[in-house]
Amino acid sequence: DTAVSQTPKYLVTQMGNDKSIKCEQNLGHDTMYWYKQDSKKFLKIMFSYNNKELIINETVPNRFSPKSPDKAHLNLHINSLELGDSAVYFCASSQGYRTGSGELFFGEGSRLTVL
Amino acid sequence: AQTVTQSQPEMSVQEAETVTLSCTYDTSESDYYLFWYKQPPSRQMILVIRQEAYKQQNATENRFSVNFQKAAKSFSLKISDSQLGDAAMYFCAYRSADFGNEKLTFGTGTRLTIIP
Repeated sequence: DTAVSQTPKYLVTQMGNDKSIKCEQNLGHDTMYWYKQDSKKFLKIMFSYNNKELIINETVPNRFSPKSPDKAHLNLHINSLELGDSAVYFCASSQGYRTGSGELFFGEGSRLTVL
Repeated sequence: AQTVTQSQPEMSVQEAETVTLSCTYDTSESDYYLFWYKQPPSRQMILVIRQEAYKQQNATENRFSVNFQKAAKSFSLKISDSQLGDAAMYFCAYRSADFGNEKLTFGTGTRLTIIP
């Protein structure tokens, strides 16, 4: 039973297209995140949501739009894809403020390739 | 803003030997968490070990232990009796305990190779 699941695992698409990645967690966590891992393996926070409310937006182009329909889901929609958007995108979740172990639980990642 | 530095892009160790991965961080906060995550070729992010800043005792998980020096802002990972399955990218990460800033900030990673 996967704790944090992302779909799809792989996307290959053309420049200019729009794509979405979905994420679901069954851990009952309050906070969810999107991270981007570039070709040099550097992991950088993009967004975080706490109970469906946007908490962190780290200077991400507005072509990226996260949506959290409920606290178990956080989706990422990307408009007008560019070559530089090629990366692995990780969804993660954690328990709320000052509760739990503090760790983030990660999905398996979604590799996006823009041609 | 907090920063995490891993100064060793690559390390290698003979199987069954011990290796230490370095990590330093910069913060003005007194309450925070520190983590080591492992990313094997499968790309799954796996928690190796965690440390809460207010705990003076160094965390240990089987063959993995840390040397947490709060004043020096240093958080190194020691892997004892290295095994082939330990080969992976290792990321040091910092997490604030402050509400609204609970993201993980990662270092640039250390690629660990195990030599049979």
